[in-house]
Amino acid sequence: QKEVEQDPGPLSVPEGAIVSLNCTYSNSAFQYFMWYRQYSRKGPELLMYTYSSGNKEDGRFTAQVDKSSKYISLFIRDSQPSDSATYLCAMSGGAQKLVFGQGTRLTINP
Amino acid sequence: SAVISQKPSRDICQRGTSLTIQCQVDSQVTMMFWYRQQPGQSLTLIATANQGSEATYESGFVIDKFPISRPNLTFSTLTVSNMSPEDSSIYLCSVEGVGGASYEQYFGPGTRLTVT
Repeated sequence: QKEVEQDPGPLSVPEGAIVSLNCTYSNSAFQYFMWYRQYSRKGPELLMYTYSSGNKEDGRFTAQVDKSSKYISLFIRDSQPSDSATYLCAMSGGAQKLVFGQGTRLTINP
Repeated sequence: SAVISQKPSRDICQRGTSLTIQCQVDSQVTMMFWYRQQPGQSLTLIATANQGSEATYESGFVIDKFPISRPNLTFSTLTVSNMSPEDSSIYLCSVEGVGGASYEQYFGPGTRLTVT
């Protein structure tokens, strides 16, 4: 079993839709939960991070962490074509090592 | 945030040869990381490189295959040695965020390697 599981998609939705991206994990030591966005032929860029459980909102993006279920989510409201990218969840137990999910390829159709 | 550049951006190499990838950062950082991203796969950490000490390799990666140099606080190299087609991948370097926050890493654009 992988430490972090993420549905690779691909996921295709119309512009303006609400997008839900999810990851599950098995290591209860994870404390930091991140979402990275990776455009084609580019390196990943940090989108959001959350420490421990709870919600965090930044503009159209909301990150949720449920440690009891070992489940994290990223919601994108009013999705735009420019949101089309691969979204990777990543987790850390506090040391610098990040464990990444496989990434979900998202396409927003105009 | 840090600005990171990598050279080369892509290369096609013959099996049995070696390729050295360079990573340059626009600010001084203590820790640099090297990842591999195989097609359709997640990022996998190869090693962590601290300036002035030997790199720390993750399980499944060895120094003979992936030697790393870290001569100063803004530069590192990763060599992929004795390449085989299985080494075809994207190789990315990253650096820690400001203050060494464990959740924050900034990535370079990657080096796309194809081994024939």
